[in-house]
Amino acid sequence: EDQVTQSPEALRLQEGESSSLNCSYTVSGLRGLFWYRQDPGKGPEFLFTLYSAGEEKEKERLKATLTKKESFLHITAPKPEDSATYLCAVLDSWGKLQFGAGTQVVVTP
Amino acid sequence: DADVTQTPRNRITKTGKRIMLECSQTKGHDRMYWYRQDPGLGLQLIYYSFDVKDINKGEISDGYSVSRQAQAKFSLSLESAIPNQTALYFCATSWTEPGQRGINEQFFGPGTRLTVL
Repeated sequence: EDQVTQSPEALRLQEGESSSLNCSYTVSGLRGLFWYRQDPGKGPEFLFTLYSAGEEKEKERLKATLTKKESFLHITAPKPEDSATYLCAVLDSWGKLQFGAGTQVVVTP
Repeated sequence: DADVTQTPRNRITKTGKRIMLECSQTKGHDRMYWYRQDPGLGLQLIYYSFDVKDINKGEISDGYSVSRQAQAKFSLSLESAIPNQTALYFCATSWTEPGQRGINEQFFGPGTRLTVL
């Protein structure tokens, strides 16, 4: 059965304390892996798409990487405004997006 | 103005009532989706539509139905609401381009919080 697992479930960081979020998947026929950010009471907001192992994408303090079985979202020197839930989603061979449960990140000043 | 809008934003209803959630988009996208989100779970796909005449069931379609009235409008109905359908519901859109190799991201609406008593 296809699965997308995110860890940790929750992460509390001090401002400036870099860390990484993990997204592991067992989906066969991966066509793409997406990272989204979700703020409370809002819809997910697109961050990155990764298509193949070894690919990396960066945006401000965020950097996403992809291997054959997992993806990492690195947060470098986070600020309080980076507090959000980060969602990983995998596009399978049928063209459907399967989401992980998310990692809730809280960055304190 | 928001590109993907959902109405209503909040709804409280009783068991057995028929409920319709509406989604409209001004992005010109051909694909539209309905998801539900429960605490501690990922977004789960209810239905999706690749164009007006193409509607498909997602992983949790039981108890739901949809209508694609136009390219820009996609409605979700709960024929007879039950308490375990209490959740946050999201509409999303994406697009395809002829001959493209990659897959385009989905854009989400602001969500509808539905409570079934």
